[in-house]
Amino acid sequence: DIVLTQSPALAVSLGQRATISCKTNQNVDYYGNSYMHWYQQKPGQQPKLLIYLASNLASGIPARFSGRGSGTDFTLTIDPVEADDTATYYCQQSRNLWTFGGGTKLELK
Amino acid sequence: EVQLVESGGGLVQPGRSLKLSCAASGFTFSDYNMAWVRQAPKKGLEWVATISYDGSSTYYRDSVKGRFTISRDNAKSTLYLQMDSLRSEDTATYYCARLGDLPLFDYWGQGVMVTVSS
Repeated sequence: DIVLTQSPALAVSLGQRATISCKTNQNVDYYGNSYMHWYQQKPGQQPKLLIYLASNLASGIPARFSGRGSGTDFTLTIDPVEADDTATYYCQQSRNLWTFGGGTKLELK
Repeated sequence: EVQLVESGGGLVQPGRSLKLSCAASGFTFSDYNMAWVRQAPKKGLEWVATISYDGSSTYYRDSVKGRFTISRDNAKSTLYLQMDSLRSEDTATYYCARLGDLPLFDYWGQGVMVTVSS
């Protein structure tokens, strides 16, 4: 099984940059694509797709969100952070079945 | 507009069964693979099962193999999850999700709560 590891929480100030990391125990690259995706989940809501294939912005997602990485190391960056960004962020791989990271809760300082 | 609406959740005793449904609209249901993802209270997301667009292939996480069955009725644009021999650790909100091409979960339902308790 591919295991994804995220830090549990992150606190940043409004207008600053937030960087959320996700590390996998196996390479999720395949034929030039990294099968890593990012979701945002707010309390009481379903998850929403933010980034697909490591660095592509999903439809309707503001350009403040960006993703990068390959192989086993990935990051989601929010810059600048707005109040509405307080949520839990999950990475997810689809290289081999589907697994999620444990989630990173983003809070404001 | 893509819509996924789950139903069938509730309180059930350990060892009993429950069947969830997910009514899809706003897209051609029979063109897409579909999945169930769950989230235990205050916990993270966990993929449960996937079914191919035509129902010919199914995939399950190890902890539900042999107990859960994913199925679909393309004529009714409905996805199902039959859950047998339920355990307390199956307590969670269950989300129906559409699998895009990549494959990733591009649309999600609002979720339905399943509580397994005596």
